[in-house]
Amino acid sequence: GQNIDQPTEMTATEGAIVQINCTYQTSGFNGLFWYQQHAGEAPTFLSYNVLDGLEEKGRFSSFLSRSKGYSYLLLKELQMKDSASYLCAVREGSNYQLIWGAGTKLIIKP
Amino acid sequence: EAGVAQSPRYKIIEKRQSVAFWCNPISGHATLYWYQQILGQGPKLLIQFQNNGVVDDSQLPKDRFSAERLKGVDSTLKIQPAKLEDSAVYLCASSQGTNEKLFFGSGTQLSVL
Repeated sequence: GQNIDQPTEMTATEGAIVQINCTYQTSGFNGLFWYQQHAGEAPTFLSYNVLDGLEEKGRFSSFLSRSKGYSYLLLKELQMKDSASYLCAVREGSNYQLIWGAGTKLIIKP
Repeated sequence: EAGVAQSPRYKIIEKRQSVAFWCNPISGHATLYWYQQILGQGPKLLIQFQNNGVVDDSQLPKDRFSAERLKGVDSTLKIQPAKLEDSAVYLCASSQGTNEKLFFGSGTQLSVL
């Protein structure tokens, strides 16, 4: 069945590195997205992985292992503005249906 | 380029009243989505359009929710009658195709009293 797991909440320190994990169980995998959502705002696109490996984009990187049903989002040099929820979403099936995780709330402390 | 436009930004109604939300997707985007997001949860797909046809409305409570996308451009989502549990943020998103990244509007925060 469809299932996406992310930690509910994480805390990290400004300037540090944090890794947010996402595990999934789906059929017909067609790609994995990471979105950032600040409180009271709409989700914004961060990254997309469809092949195994690491995608780097500035301070943010995303990794995918299809055989393990696992992805992580790595945030480096954390800034206070990175305090937000991070949503993992998986595309599956011939309809490219998008399945969303509940999100990980990241709290950055000075 | 202009983003996804949604209105209203906030809406407060009493239970059993009706409400409508409007969305204008990014120009040229064939796929339009309506999501319901309850606080602390991920978005839940209500309905997905490809041009003016429905691709997926399996999670739309059809006894009270309806949506249309006439002419394959903008869309409206209606709730009639509203229930307390409908209190949520309603997000509209669009993408160029069904396998492309989604762009979200700012959402409508609905409070049902």
